[in-house]
Amino acid sequence: NAGVTQTPKFRILKIGQSMTLQCTQDMNHNYMYWYRQDPGMGLKLIYYSVGAGITDKGEVPNGYNVSRSTTEDFPLRLELAAPSQTSVYFCASITTLVGGGHSPLHFGNGTRLTVT
Amino acid sequence: DAKTTQPPSMDCAEGRAANLPCNHSTISGNEYVYWYRQIHSQGPQYIIHGLKNNETNEMASLIITEDRKSSTLILPHATLRDTAVYYCIVREETSGSRLTFGEGTQLTVNP
Repeated sequence: NAGVTQTPKFRILKIGQSMTLQCTQDMNHNYMYWYRQDPGMGLKLIYYSVGAGITDKGEVPNGYNVSRSTTEDFPLRLELAAPSQTSVYFCASITTLVGGGHSPLHFGNGTRLTVT
Repeated sequence: DAKTTQPPSMDCAEGRAANLPCNHSTISGNEYVYWYRQIHSQGPQYIIHGLKNNETNEMASLIITEDRKSSTLILPHATLRDTAVYYCIVREETSGSRLTFGEGTQLTVNP
């Protein structure tokens, strides 16, 4: 049981390049989230998904796109990378518990992205 | 989700109790209080959560005021490894959808 797995761990992009940050979870969690964290700052919600085929914008969605074709995968797409997108990106998931309520958030180890 | 307010930083001596406050004055009746911590930009780690009763686990205790407008996370015997950023968030259990974090409290445990 690997939990939440993010790839790659590190990436350097040139301005204008595109890339996809991968996130997969093997816990059959229905809710998944993408956050970014700038140096010395808190986590900002980019996008989230409440289940396969359903996504919604968070606090800072501009410059990003997501898809959720399966329960396991929630990739984050950067189409035209900008220096302002230099950050650490975290993926997280939660699940609905039997009897009601949700589990605490399970986080991946993050992807450190630099755009130059 | 209700907004939370935390002090930006706190210090604590090693071996002493660390008491981290959180204000959530707009919390609604079905919103739980969750605490996480983040060490060295790793993924945040779950600590504890509660609705209205005080809670305790192997890591910490959570004290929630009777009016539920504030809470305190207590690390009973802080160690150097407890130095981290601590986040308090509130989340409605029936939706579990949009989850946002504040800036958290940087706790520094001093030898």
